Amino acid sequence: NAGVTQTPKFQVLKTGQSMTLQCAQDMNHEYMSWYRQDPGMGLRLIHYSVGAGITDQGEVPNGYNVSRSTTEDFPLRLLSAAPSQTSVYFCASSYRLAGDTQYFGPGTRLTVL
Amino acid sequence: AQSVAQPEDQVNVAEGNPLTVKCTYSVSGNPYLFWYVQYPNRGLQFLLKYITGDNLVKGSYGFEAEFNKSQTSFHLKKPSALVSDSALYFCAVREISSNTGKLIFGQGTTLQVKP
Repeated sequence: NAGVTQTPKFQVLKTGQSMTLQCAQDMNHEYMSWYRQDPGMGLRLIHYSVGAGITDQGEVPNGYNVSRSTTEDFPLRLLSAAPSQTSVYFCASSYRLAGDTQYFGPGTRLTVL
Repeated sequence: AQSVAQPEDQVNVAEGNPLTVKCTYSVSGNPYLFWYVQYPNRGLQFLLKYITGDNLVKGSYGFEAEFNKSQTSFHLKKPSALVSDSALYFCAVREISSNTGKLIFGQGTTLQVKP
């Protein structure tokens, strides 16, 4: 198993550009989520999905879109990048909600100029 | 509101000494509690979790944590620290009744183990 994979590892954007952060898992997990990590703030939930075709907003959803057309993939789209979106982005997945452990990808470091 | 507090930004300990990384939480119902570790430029790795049952939970790499309901704490411990344990540690909580799966993270504690 590759686990949770994310691409790209690093990205630099200019303000106003759009891009998609890719996330895939090969563990047949139903639950997937996106977090952003900012210094001194821990991780904050952006969007999540409890299964293919179902997505919902987390704590900090503004400026981001998601879709879940397959169980394996959960891309995060930045519609019009802003400097405030400079962060490290982590995708996570788990088999179910409940007490299941969420497993994290290696992260994407995004800089918006 | 749900929250997690890690009161120490950094913990310094000598190799071979016991270590403790503190975590307290606030949820309205019963919690699931997790510890993750992050090495530089890496993702979060799962260490251990408390779901139910025995209050002392044993995890990876010799770490353990004790769930204390009355003190709403879930401190991470290890009897003998290694230099390789130096990393950023996150405590996280999820309310059992949550239907979002949202993990609430503390701000992280940097553990520095000196030879």
